[in-house]
Amino acid sequence: EVQLVQSGAEVKKPGESLKISCKGSGYSFINYWIGWVRQMPGKGLEWMGIIYPGDSDTRYSPSFQGQVTISVDKSISTAYLQWSSLKASDTAMYYCARPQSYGYKSAFDTWGQGTMVTVSS
Amino acid sequence: DIQMTQSPSSLSASVGDRVTISCRASQGIYNYLAWYQQKPGKVPKLLIYAASTLQSGVSSRFSGSGSGTDFTLTISSLQPEDVATYYCQKYNSAPFTFGQGTRLEIK
Repeated sequence: EVQLVQSGAEVKKPGESLKISCKGSGYSFINYWIGWVRQMPGKGLEWMGIIYPGDSDTRYSPSFQGQVTISVDKSISTAYLQWSSLKASDTAMYYCARPQSYGYKSAFDTWGQGTMVTVSS
Repeated sequence: DIQMTQSPSSLSASVGDRVTISCRASQGIYNYLAWYQQKPGKVPKLLIYAASTLQSGVSSRFSGSGSGTDFTLTISSLQPEDVATYYCQKYNSAPFTFGQGTRLEIK
């Protein structure tokens, strides 16, 4: 079974750093892109960026470029989303998701369960 | 960047009704369009990809159409379990923007 399992909920203070994870299983991890999607409380889905584990090729949404870093450790089939200095406005649910086919121009058919990040002083 | 605009933003319909949700791209995206369903507190679920192809396991009540800039998601006979927010997403080129969502309720 294809699965993406994300790390648990986080509560952080403004200015702190954070790295959340998404571990893939049940498929060839290095051959499928992994994307990240933000959902702020009560709001819609926002596409943040996507990474190819095979060579770490990464594409960011302009809205998130420079605000977050997407990375991957293919040795442990895990993708990451990290912040160097969190803001209260980063409070949201973050989903990782995998496209349904090898190319990155593909819809997301597999989603992680989500990681809730709360940033509050 | 290409913008995706859904209409309406919210919709109330009766069980058994035919429901239509529209999604418009600010530039042509061929058929690189997906539809997702997100029930309250749940993970989004892929319904339709390539504008009109039903994802495996999804009810045949759902159908998609369109190409270029104008797309439609249709629910042929609304059921109580269809209460959710529906999102379109383009994926012809990054960023793979989502529409703002359409909240569907039962009247």
